[in-house]
Amino acid sequence: QVQLVESGGGVVQPGRSLRLSCAASGFTFSSYGMHWVRQAPGKGLEWVALIWYDGSNKYYADSVKGRFTISRDNSKNTLYLQMNSLRAEDTAVYYCVREFLGRVGAPNFDYWGQGTLVTVSS
Amino acid sequence: QSALTQPRSVSGSPGQSVTISCTGTSSDVGGYNYVSWYQQQPGKAPKLMIYDVSKRPSGVPDRFSGSKSGNTASLTISGLQAEDEADYYCCSYAGSYTLVFGGGTKLTVL
Repeated sequence: QVQLVESGGGVVQPGRSLRLSCAASGFTFSSYGMHWVRQAPGKGLEWVALIWYDGSNKYYADSVKGRFTISRDNSKNTLYLQMNSLRAEDTAVYYCVREFLGRVGAPNFDYWGQGTLVTVSS
Repeated sequence: QSALTQPRSVSGSPGQSVTISCTGTSSDVGGYNYVSWYQQQPGKAPKLMIYDVSKRPSGVPDRFSGSKSGNTASLTISGLQAEDEADYYCCSYAGSYTLVFGGGTKLTVL
């Protein structure tokens, strides 16, 4: 069965960095585009970033562009999100999300992880 | 990348129908037939209910339907059931491989 397990969340001071990981299993990870989506406490969903199945292309929301980097290691079936220059407004649950096979970039997310909480606070 | 506009809340009685709107612009909702809808129960990850404006994934009841007119997409839930009470989010392709979500709508089953 498909599983996406995020890790790496925690409390971090403003301006510092954090790296999230998402371990994928139960499917051919290297065939799927992957996204990060976040949700601030009590707020709505916000798309963060997309990486193509082979890592060749990456796209970001304006709110994180230049600060966050999405990457993947298909040999380890793992997705990453490197978050630099963190701000209070980055506080959220971060979800690792799989998109439909062969539908790169479309908002069709069929599997979500359980999420990992990132809290940016001094 | 401004969030799509959804009503904060809607409500309906069991058996009734409710419609949730999702308004964007010609750069997102109006420009592509790539709108999806997600249901989120408290404390859980979102679940895909509708994709490509009006398609239902396997396992989603046919009580859920989607449509689009101009810059506004809509999710209609007919034969409302208590278990439908949740938050609902629309999401649209916004060009250049970017996506935008709506602000979310809380559905209350009276």
